[in-house]
Amino acid sequence: QKEVEQNSGPLSVPEGAIASLNCTYSDRGSQSFFWYRQYSGKSPELIMFIYSNGDKEDGRFTAQLNKASQYVSLLIRDSQPSDSATYLCAVNIRWNQGGKLIFGQGTELSVKP
Amino acid sequence: NAGVTQTPKFQVLKTGQSMTLQCAQDMNHNSMYWYRQDPGMGLRLIYYSASEGTTDKGEVPNGYNVSRLNKREFSLRLESAAPSQTSVYFCASSEGGRSNQPQHFGDGTRLSIL
Repeated sequence: QKEVEQNSGPLSVPEGAIASLNCTYSDRGSQSFFWYRQYSGKSPELIMFIYSNGDKEDGRFTAQLNKASQYVSLLIRDSQPSDSATYLCAVNIRWNQGGKLIFGQGTELSVKP
Repeated sequence: NAGVTQTPKFQVLKTGQSMTLQCAQDMNHNSMYWYRQDPGMGLRLIYYSASEGTTDKGEVPNGYNVSRLNKREFSLRLESAAPSQTSVYFCASSEGGRSNQPQHFGDGTRLSIL
C-alpha cells in the first residue's frame, strides 16, 4: 500500500458544481495534511492545510479529515474553469526521529464551462 | 516578496556533465528541501536541510549532493549527470524542521540530460 494515494482522474465537473477530491494515507499517526494546486508546467501552490484537530473552510475550499478511515478530502464549491489543475495531497508521516511529507501523485480536475 | 527563487529555470546537459541548481528563500525559513517530479511518480524528496548546518537524505538521494550554504541558500549538485536524472526539480522551504509546517515551492528547474 502506498503511503499516500490519490485517484489520478481526470475528475470532470461542470462549472458551478462541487468538486470532491480524496486522499488516503497509511500512517495512523499522521497529524498534518496539506492540499496543493499545480497548474500544468507550474510549481505546486499551497491551498490549505489542516491538523488532526479539525476541518477547515476557506472561501470556496473546505478540507475535511476522517481519521477513522484515514482519508482527507478537499471540496471545491462553485467550481470555476480556473480551478482546472492537478491537486496534490501531502501528509506528514513519522520518519527517523521526526517526520516527512509524502505527496500523492495528484488528481487532475477539469471544470467544464 | 520573491519567496523561493530557483536558478536556472531550464538546462540541458550531456551525460557525464556536472551542474549545480541554486535555491534561495527570503522568508527566514529554517528548513529547505529538494524534490524531483516525474510523470506518474509524483514529488519525491531528494535531500532536505532541517536547519542551517544540517542536511539529510530523502527518498532518492543517489547521484546528488547538497550544500546548505547559509540560512537562505540550499544548492543541489549533480556530479555526473545521467539521463535518469532528467526531471523537474523543485526547491521548497518551511518554517520549522518538523513536517507539520507547510512547504512553499519555487518555480522549478526543468533539466534534460542527453
